[in-house]
Parts: sequence; C-alpha cells; structure tokens
Amino acid sequence: QITLKESGPTLVKPTQTLTLTCTFSGFSLNTSGVGVGWIRQPPGKALECLALIYWNDDPRYSSSLNNRLTITKDTSKNEVVLTMTNVGAMDTGTYFCAHTRYSTSSPFDYWGQGALVTVSS
Amino acid sequence: SYDLTQPPSVSVSPGQTASITCSGDNLGNKYVCWYQKKPGQSPVLVIYQDYMRPSGIPGRFSAANSGNTATLTISGTQSLDEADYYCQAWDSRIVVFGGGTKLTVL
Repeated sequence: QITLKESGPTLVKPTQTLTLTCTFSGFSLNTSGVGVGWIRQPPGKALECLALIYWNDDPRYSSSLNNRLTITKDTSKNEVVLTMTNVGAMDTGTYFCAHTRYSTSSPFDYWGQGALVTVSS
Repeated sequence: SYDLTQPPSVSVSPGQTASITCSGDNLGNKYVCWYQKKPGQSPVLVIYQDYMRPSGIPGRFSAANSGNTATLTISGTQSLDEADYYCQAWDSRIVVFGGGTKLTVL
C-alpha cells in the first residue's frame, strides 16, 4: 500500500533554510504519471499547495513562494525533498506530502501524517 | 492567481443535510475535489473529479460542479462528519485550495 512520511526539523530560526524530506513507499517516481506534492497548513489557516514534482522531473511551484522553494526527487531513495529559503514566522505550520498523478483531474489521494515546523528565534 | 471561495462555517443538525459551496471563475470547467480535515489529522479525500467517491467514503457524501460553483453535500450528517472541508482545483500549473469551511454538527 502507499505510505508517505515527512521528516525534518521541528524548529527553525528566522532567515534560515528549511529542508523537509518526504519518504514514500508503495509507488515509484520512476513510473509514468506519478507525482508528489507538498502542502502546508499554518495554525488556524487553510491548506496551501507549495510545490509538486512528477516522474519526468517537472516541478511546479506556488506563485507566491516560487522564488523561495526548490523541490527535488531521489528515485533511488524514494524521497522528495522540499527546500524553503529565508523562512519567517509565517512559515510556521504543518507540512504534508501527498501522492498524486499527472493530470488536472487527479487529487492528492494519499497523504503523510504531517510534520510540524515552528519558525522562531 | 485563481481563487476558490468557501463560506467560513456551516452548521447542521444531526441527520440533516449539509451543503458546502466552493466558488471560482468558470469552476465548472475544472475538476474539483474535496477533502475532510480534522484537527491533528491528515486531510482525507472524500470527492474527486467533481463527484466521484473514493472507496471507503460513505455514500452520504456527494458533490456536483457547474457554472461557477461546486457543492459538497452530506446527507444524514453525523457527528463524526464535523470537520473542516476544503475544495481543490487546478490553476495553470499548480493546485489551488479553497479557504476551508468548518462544518459544525449541533
């Protein structure tokens, strides 16, 4: 079955770079049509899609955070890594990774448990 | 950027029907999905491709999408349906979520 799990620091200082790793099983990012996305939820706020990456290395980014984000994949490790530069208090929240497919009709059908990240000095 | 607008809150009595709307420009021309989100838990997909239910999602969840509005309907609402609900669609190259609706069952 498909599982995903997020890992990374729980506390990051302002202006630092946040690196989160999504480790998954039950599918391969070598398979045509497969993708993984990163979604976050600040406390008391809505879900926000940050970035996606597909089997063909096609990255997609939120327009509001585009210049701060990098998403990469390591198919040999079954990992997707999200890097966010110059973090601030507004980046505090729970970060989820999720499985999807290469289609505008495809939802995020499997989700990780989420990783809580706090940005504070 | 593309905006999806949801009412912040909806209240329903147990056993009654709850309807949650999601509005966006020509939303009916896009595929919409819906997620249920409870505190401390990961989102759960309850509807995809406008009205399809994933396996394991009860039949009391239904949805439609036309014009500028998509609607999630929960029939015979139960207390365990109390949660935040988010609609989602695609805009250009990225996924967009609505602002979420808190469903209260009282």
